[in-house]
Amino acid sequence: NAGVTQTPKFQVLKTGQSMTLQCAQDMNHNSMYWYRQDPGMGLRLIYYSASEGTTDKGEVPNGYNVSRLNKREFSLRLESAAPSQTSVYFCASTSLDRNYGYTFGSGTRLTVV
Amino acid sequence: DAKTTQPPSMDCAEGRAANLPCNHSTISGNEYVYWYRQIHSQGPQYIIHGLKNNETNEMASLIITEDRKSSTLILPHATLRDTAVYYCIVNNAGNMLTFGGGTRLMVKP
Repeated sequence: NAGVTQTPKFQVLKTGQSMTLQCAQDMNHNSMYWYRQDPGMGLRLIYYSASEGTTDKGEVPNGYNVSRLNKREFSLRLESAAPSQTSVYFCASTSLDRNYGYTFGSGTRLTVV
Repeated sequence: DAKTTQPPSMDCAEGRAANLPCNHSTISGNEYVYWYRQIHSQGPQYIIHGLKNNETNEMASLIITEDRKSSTLILPHATLRDTAVYYCIVNNAGNMLTFGGGTRLMVKP
């Protein structure tokens, strides 16, 4: 039981490049989330998917797109990376009743130069 | 969702109880109190949550005041590995978690 798996763990991009951050969970959770965390700050919600087939914007969606590929997988895409998107990205998932809280992945550390 | 207020930092001696306070004076009747922690730069870890009653699990205890306007997370015997940022979040079970600044707990030998 791996929980929430994020790939890659580290990435360096040049300004303007694109990339997709992958997230997969094996807990049969309905809801999945993407957060970003800038140095010394709390987490901010980018996008979420309450259930398979739905996605919604969070607090800071600009510059990102998401795809809920199936119940297990939720990807985050940066179409044209900017230095302001340098951050640590966390994926999380939870069941509908949330009795066990959110489970977070270990993060993707992205640097845009 | 209701906002929370936590002290930015606290110290605790190893082996002693760590009591982390949280004020949530605007909490509504259907909002839960959740606690998470983030050790160094790892992903946040769920600790405990409650609605009205006090709760205890293998990690911690959660004490919620009768008026539900504040709560305290208790780590009964803090260890060096409990050094982390602790987040108190109040939230309706159907909504997304919103993280504030949290309390940076430093457990000292």
